[in-house]
Amino acid sequence: EARLVESGGDLAQPGGSLRLSCAASGFIFSSYAIHWVRQTPGKGLEWVSAISGSGSKTYYADSVAGRFTISRDKSKSTVYLEMSSLRADDTAIYYCAKDGGSGTYPRGNFEYWGEGTLVAVSS
Amino acid sequence: EIVLTQSPGTLSLSPGERATLSCRASQSVSFNYLAWYQQKPGQAPRLLIYAASSRATGIPDRFSGSGSGTDFTLTISRLEPEDFAVYYCQQYGSSPPWTFGQGTKVEIK
Repeated sequence: EARLVESGGDLAQPGGSLRLSCAASGFIFSSYAIHWVRQTPGKGLEWVSAISGSGSKTYYADSVAGRFTISRDKSKSTVYLEMSSLRADDTAIYYCAKDGGSGTYPRGNFEYWGEGTLVAVSS
Repeated sequence: EIVLTQSPGTLSLSPGERATLSCRASQSVSFNYLAWYQQKPGQAPRLLIYAASSRATGIPDRFSGSGSGTDFTLTISRLEPEDFAVYYCQQYGSSPPWTFGQGTKVEIK
């Protein structure tokens, strides 16, 4: 069964940067898109970003476009989310999730989820 | 962007009762690409239903999904103690952003 493990969450200053990692196992890594989804008590669940199985296509929510960058390393079966120009409203639990589609491009639903990593942005 | 509105916000029921949760979309969901997730406190969401009515792997058959276009329903035929949780709908029929509803909490009456 697919397994995803996030890491890298931390306390960051407004305007600062963080890199989240998502280590994947239990499936053919390069065959599936991977997403980042975040959750806050106030705004609920919000899709943040996705990357195709090959890494050739990336997708971003308007709220993070230009500040966050998603990438993947096939040799490490790991997806990254580089977060910069962090704001207080980026504070959330960040989950990575395996796409539910069978192709390399994202279908857009989330078949398996990691346990999440907490990002807090505060001075 | 498609906005999903779930109702009711909270559903108070007893074990063994039937739960009916609603999800309404601001515009038609293409291909009926509507998913339902269950989330328990301190845990990640879990996929229950995809494409409006298909159960995900390992999901008991007391969970069923129905609907099309803009109106979708998740039904739990007989609530088990482990089913008390928050349920979210999510649409993926359009280009990103893929969006979630605000959730329905199913609590023990």
